[in-house]
Amino acid sequence: DTEVTQTPKHLVMGMTNKKSLKCEQHMGHRAMYWYKQKAKKPPELMFVYSYEKLSINESVPSRFSPECPNSSLLNLHLHALQPEDSALYLCASSQVVREYGYTFGSGTRLTVV
Amino acid sequence: DAKTTQPNSMESNEEEPVHLPCNHSTISGTDYIHWYRQLPSQGPEYVIHGLTSNVNNRMASLAIAEDRKSSTLILHRATLRDAAVYYCILKGIYNQGGKLIFGQGTELSVKP
Repeated sequence: DTEVTQTPKHLVMGMTNKKSLKCEQHMGHRAMYWYKQKAKKPPELMFVYSYEKLSINESVPSRFSPECPNSSLLNLHLHALQPEDSALYLCASSQVVREYGYTFGSGTRLTVV
Repeated sequence: DAKTTQPNSMESNEEEPVHLPCNHSTISGTDYIHWYRQLPSQGPEYVIHGLTSNVNNRMASLAIAEDRKSSTLILHRATLRDAAVYYCILKGIYNQGGKLIFGQGTELSVKP
C-alpha cells in the first residue's frame, strides 16, 4: 500500500458545527502532516507529527485541533470555523530517518457556510 | 531552509523535452533539492530529489549545477498528463520528518 487516504473528499459545514477530517497511511511512515491550500496558491504547512507526537504547529488557530491516535492515523478536528477557512486540506506522510519523498493524499475540499 | 525562484509559467509541446529551471542562490551545503508536482484537483506528488549529483528516475531527471545555485527538472518527453504546477523545494539534511515548505511553483501547460 503506497497511498495516503483522506476522508471525506468533500465536506460542507456550518460555522457552529464540529467535524473531523481523517487521514490514513500504511507505509510505516512515522511523520505525518497537515497542509492547507487555497485556490491558486501553494500548500501551507499547518502541523507536523513525528512518532505520534506534535512536533510543529505553524501558529494555527485553536479552532483546528490535530490528533494522531496511532502511527497510521491522523485526524484534524474542526470547530467554529470561519468562511475563510474554506480550502483544500491535504495530509501527507514521510519517513523520518531517511531523506525521501513525501506522499500526499488527494485532500478534503472543505466549504464553511 | 533557503528560498527558491521559479518562472510563474511555461509552455511545452507534447512529446518534446521540457526543462524547468529553479534558482536557489542561497542554498546551503546541507540542503537537498526536491521537486514535486501537483496535477489539477490532486495532492502534490513527489517527483525527484538530489543533493549534489544529477539524478534520474522513471519520471524525470534532475540536473544540478556544479555550484548548486540552480537546478533543472527535465521531463524527457512531455505528455498532456504532465500539465501541472511544479514546485522546487529546498529541505535541510537535518530537517528529516520536518518542514516541506512550498514556493509559488511553475505552472506547466502542454500543447498537443
